[in-house]
Parts: sequence; structure tokens; C-alpha cells
Amino acid sequence: AAGVIQSPRHLIKEKRETATLKCYPIPRHDTVYWYQQGPGQDPQFLISFYEKMQSDKGSIPDRFSAQQFSDYHSELNMSSLELGDSALYFCASSSSRQGGPDTQYFGPGTRLTVL
Amino acid sequence: AQSVTQLGSHVSVSEGALVLLRCNYSSSVPPYLFWYVQYPNQGLQLLLKYTSAATLVKGINGFEAEFKKSETSFHLTKPSAHMSDAAEYFCAVNFRDDKIIFGKGTRLHILP
Repeated sequence: AAGVIQSPRHLIKEKRETATLKCYPIPRHDTVYWYQQGPGQDPQFLISFYEKMQSDKGSIPDRFSAQQFSDYHSELNMSSLELGDSALYFCASSSSRQGGPDTQYFGPGTRLTVL
Repeated sequence: AQSVTQLGSHVSVSEGALVLLRCNYSSSVPPYLFWYVQYPNQGLQLLLKYTSAATLVKGINGFEAEFKKSETSFHLTKPSAHMSDAAEYFCAVNFRDDKIIFGKGTRLHILP
């Protein structure tokens, strides 16, 4: 079965640079979520989109922005990168049409290293 | 406040022994509950979920979990541990909104 695709899998940036992470949800999934997992930490919710509209927002820095496109893929844009942004960034997707709670299926993550 | 707590950041069991990973939640209404597993340098894989149907939930790889409302618990068990079960396990809750709140995780070590 098709899973969530994230690209790139690894990314190395310098401080103050920008980075763009991409997420391609499972086909027919209409909701996308972004999480950040620091070293040795549990994943923390950043932001989510449903039908291209932001649906919920967590602890996402103002330097970060995200959007969901008409094909439901999503991009997380990160500017003025800081050392503390080094983390594993997960994208998850779900379908609101399945009824019941939206089970989130996670991608493999993008490991961002800021030097 | 709504929260999820995993007891024990590290758990060690012998191969073939019972695995028990503990998870408790705090909420005025029963949330949706999940267990995810994360192998080293990999993503999060859904093991099982509780969605207000049967209280005993069976998942992949022989794991199961029981929802106990009176104890606000959702402990994960497996009758016989295998070396391949060594990983980080996250209990997670969804309080009827978008985000999943994860516990701090429990690293499971399997002793030969």
C-alpha cells in the first residue's frame, strides 16, 4: 500500500539559511499534519491542513510557514534556520471520509541538520 | 489538563518474556488512543488504536492493548518478546481535535 512520502530524507543547512520540506500524503487523504521530533524527544505537533486550509496550529515558530496545495501535497518552509531547528520532521496524513477518528499515518521523516 | 504519561523511559525484558509498556492519560472524556513504534533512524509506525469500540485492541506484530476507563490506562502488551521488538514505543492520544499528543516514549530493550 502507498505510504506518506517525504522529501528530502536528509537535509543539511547552515544557520540563517532557508529550507523547504515536502510531503506527499497517502492517495485520497485530505488532511496533512507536521510534527517536529528533536533528538531524544517525543514528536511535537506543528501544524495541520484540511482541504488546503490550515486546520490547527501547535508550537510552530513564526519563522516557519506551511501550506497544502490543490493536489494535497504540503510544504513546510523554514527560514532563518537556527541550530535548535535540527530535528526529524514528520509529515502524517489522514482521511476525513473514513469516519471516526482520523488515524494519522506517518511518513519516514526528513532529518534536518543545521550547522 | 489533558496529557499522556508513559511510565518508564527504558524497559528491559528477556527474549520470550512478557512485554508490558504502561500508558496513562488524563482527560475528562475518553480520548482516542494509539501506540506507535519507532525503530532506530526510522519513522513512526502505527501498532494499534482504540476508537471507542472493543476495549481490547489487537495490533500488528503480536501486540495488543487494553483500554481501561476506570484506570485511565492503555497499556501495551506482548506475550513473548522477540529481539526484533527492540525499539522506541510511543503512546499517543487524540483529544477529538487535529493533533496527536505523544508520550515521552519508552525504549524497549530485549535481552538474549
